[in-house]
Parts: sequence; C-alpha cells; structure tokens
Amino acid sequence: EAQVTQNPRYLITVTGKKLTVTCSQNMNHEYMSWYRQDPGLGLRQIYYSMNVEVTDKGDVPEGYKVSRKEKRNFPLILESPSPNQTSLYFCASSHRTSGNNEQFFGPGTRLTVL
Amino acid sequence: AQSVAQPEDQVNVAEGNPLTVKCTYSVSGNPYLFWYVQYPNRGLQFLLKYITGDNLVKGSYGFEAEFNKSQTSFHLKKPSALVSDSALYFCAVRDYKYIFGTGTRLKVLA
Repeated sequence: EAQVTQNPRYLITVTGKKLTVTCSQNMNHEYMSWYRQDPGLGLRQIYYSMNVEVTDKGDVPEGYKVSRKEKRNFPLILESPSPNQTSLYFCASSHRTSGNNEQFFGPGTRLTVL
Repeated sequence: AQSVAQPEDQVNVAEGNPLTVKCTYSVSGNPYLFWYVQYPNRGLQFLLKYITGDNLVKGSYGFEAEFNKSQTSFHLKKPSALVSDSALYFCAVRDYKYIFGTGTRLKVLA
C-alpha cells in the first residue's frame, strides 16, 4: 500500500530534550516536506526537500532541523524543544518538484512540549 | 509573495443543499491550486487541483472547483452536501513551496 508513515504518532516531552520524528514514504517520491498545524494558522511549511541531500527552509524553520540521506526518509529533528513547538506535525511527499503534483500526507504526530 | 485566503472559518449547510467553500489566491505567474480535506484525527487527503485548461475541475467524492482568473478565486463546490462531508478543508497554492490557507470547517447538518 502506498503510504507515508510517521513515528511516533503522539509524544509528550520536556523542554530541551532532543527528539526526532521519523517520516518514511514508499512511493519513490522526490519531494518531501514537513508542516505544522496550529489552530487558526492552518498548515505552515517547516522544511522541504526536492531530492536526496537537497533541503531548504520553509516558512517556519526556526528550532528545527532535517536531513535527507535516503530518498524514502525525511526525519524532523528538534534539538532543544520549547513549549511553542507544541503542535500537530505532518510529513508529506510528492513526485518531482514541479508544481502540479499533489502531496500525500502522513497521519500526523501530535507533539506536546512541557 | 504567494498567498492563499480562506475567508470563512466555518460553513454550515443543510444536507442535500449545495455547498461552497471559498478560496482566493495571490501568485505571480500561473497558479497551481489545490484543495485538500482533513477528517478528524487524520492527515490531509487530496481532493482536486487546477493546473491549466478547463476552469471547472472535478475531483473526489463529487466535489468540484471553479477557477476564476479575473477574481483570483478557486472556490470548492458540491451540488448536494452529505453529513459525511463534514471536515476541515484547505486550499493551497504551490510553486516550489506549498502555501496553505487557514482552513474552513464545513459542517453539514442532517
């Protein structure tokens, strides 16, 4: 089954404790992206990757890191989480980098930073 | 800069009535426009897209959207709403980055 998987689905942590949210897709997509969803703000792009070893900042990259060492994986790293990073996070992927391809979304990771 | 606006936080409609969820956009160049739906505790699902060609785009679950270049709008429509259509709907525009609207919650009343 074609899908985007994220782990963990739920995470409660404390300020400053490094964490990684994994994202994997099995559709051989070139483009991958991370978003956060907050009430009243919709989805905001954190980072995106157009292919292996190519990443770029989205609209809200502060406090986050990503890497793209393999085509299928695109982990999101919070080196020192803070309470304002409490949010619902989505990973997504699509074919190529042209604008006309829809994205496939993972099920989401609900992160709470205390 | 690209932007997308969804002017309504919530839309209520009676089951069986037509529904419209509004979206306006601002882009330089030709727009790539999308609608996604989010059901409770789920990720977003693709509904439909406008790339070029016919201004009326048909998508999943009986939804369609009308692209209007002069009004820079891309409203989502359905002729007859179902209770199961109740969800959160997002409009998005894409160049190499995606820009999403703030979302509109659709509530279909039985």
